[in-house]
Amino acid sequence: GAGVSQSPSNKVTEKGKDVELRCDPISGHTALYWYRQSLGQGLEFLIYFQGNSAPDKSGLPSDRFSAERTGGSVSTLTIQRTQQEDSAVYLCASSPLGLATDEQFFGPGTRLTVL
Amino acid sequence: GENVEQHPSTLSVQEGDSAVIKCTYSDSASNYFPWYKQELGKRPQLIIDIRSNVGEKKDQRIAVTLNKTAKHFSLHITETQPEDSAVYFCAARHSGNTPLVFGKGTRLSVIA
Repeated sequence: GAGVSQSPSNKVTEKGKDVELRCDPISGHTALYWYRQSLGQGLEFLIYFQGNSAPDKSGLPSDRFSAERTGGSVSTLTIQRTQQEDSAVYLCASSPLGLATDEQFFGPGTRLTVL
Repeated sequence: GENVEQHPSTLSVQEGDSAVIKCTYSDSASNYFPWYKQELGKRPQLIIDIRSNVGEKKDQRIAVTLNKTAKHFSLHITETQPEDSAVYFCAARHSGNTPLVFGKGTRLSVIA
């Protein structure tokens, strides 16, 4: 079946502009995560959605970052007034809830470049 | 919260030799420890994981060991091959479907 997909694959924007990044999780996966990976660095947790529960926003670096998950499926990460330090690869992952596996399945990422 | 330290940051081995990557974690309540492999320009993919109720797990050339008392776990790759070259990330978490806390990664280079 289809894996996690993300769009766009690459996004170049100017400082101060807003951007929206999209994640389509694996069908039926109720948990969805956003991570950020700066060049040569590890994966930094941003936000986590699980079913209908309130999202865990504890990893969002500033109030310029927000995310939504509509209908328990597609998620959008929005970065307002982008800064150069926002340049990174933004990775989305999903996992099933209540099944034997804990595996998080990652999407291909969106490479964001803020000029 | 959980903190995961990973060493070394880079590792070069000759083809056929073994590679060992070590991680420590801070939260004694953590009970799930996966390892992800990320090839250049690609997404991270799970290669092996271990839960806190076992001390070792093997899958062909890779194995993971866990020492709960010392709060550290290690990835062992035997008979390394050039295609093992990648960045490897360890991670930890303490309850189902909560965010993983990742180490900063180890860049493994296998020299033919």
